[in-house]
Amino acid sequence: GESVGLHLPTLSVQEGDNSIINCAYSNSASDYFIWYKQESGKGPQFIIDIRSNMDKRQGQRVTVLLNKTVKHLSLQIAATQPGDSAVYFCAHNRGGAQKLVFGQGTRLTINP
Amino acid sequence: EAQVTQNPRYLITVTGKKLTVTCSQNMNHEYMSWYRQDPGLGLRQIYYSMNVEVTDKGDVPEGYKVSRKEKRNFPLILESPSPNQTSLYFCASSFHRTSGRTNEQFFGPGTRLTVL
Repeated sequence: GESVGLHLPTLSVQEGDNSIINCAYSNSASDYFIWYKQESGKGPQFIIDIRSNMDKRQGQRVTVLLNKTVKHLSLQIAATQPGDSAVYFCAHNRGGAQKLVFGQGTRLTINP
Repeated sequence: EAQVTQNPRYLITVTGKKLTVTCSQNMNHEYMSWYRQDPGLGLRQIYYSMNVEVTDKGDVPEGYKVSRKEKRNFPLILESPSPNQTSLYFCASSFHRTSGRTNEQFFGPGTRLTVL
């Protein structure tokens, strides 16, 4: 069945290091893959998206990589800061519609 | 300030007592959606609306109703709440897909519902 999953439920990194959050997907018909960030007590917040015909996209301190061969998506955060502590969700836009399907989330913890 | 607001933020109720969670956005978005978030299950879509008077089921619509009489409002109605509807609920909105900006959904702060 269709799913958007995550390799690890938690990730702990040192402040200043780079973080890599991974996601696997099964639906090859998605138009976009998206990353959201959810801080404690708040709603999810859009970070970055990537169209399915691309393999890399960069934003401010973030890079998303898409490997369609192995159906793998990753979010790289450069120079991780305390404010990056959150749960990160990957999602995909199913079949051109506006319906987003979310993964279960990875909790990123920053060690001082 | 551009935002999505939800009310109430917290609600404890009893089985069978009808309730409505309101959602309002001030960004003139066409698309609005309701999600529920449960531990280990992530965010699951309940209902969505592409525009006024246009609504459709998401992945988990059973036990819920919605309406979209105005562009800015998208209330979630639980006619007869049950304990399995205890969850954290989020409303979200975005521009229509024809604008090319559909992946950025703006989420409200959430409503934590407990049904006893």
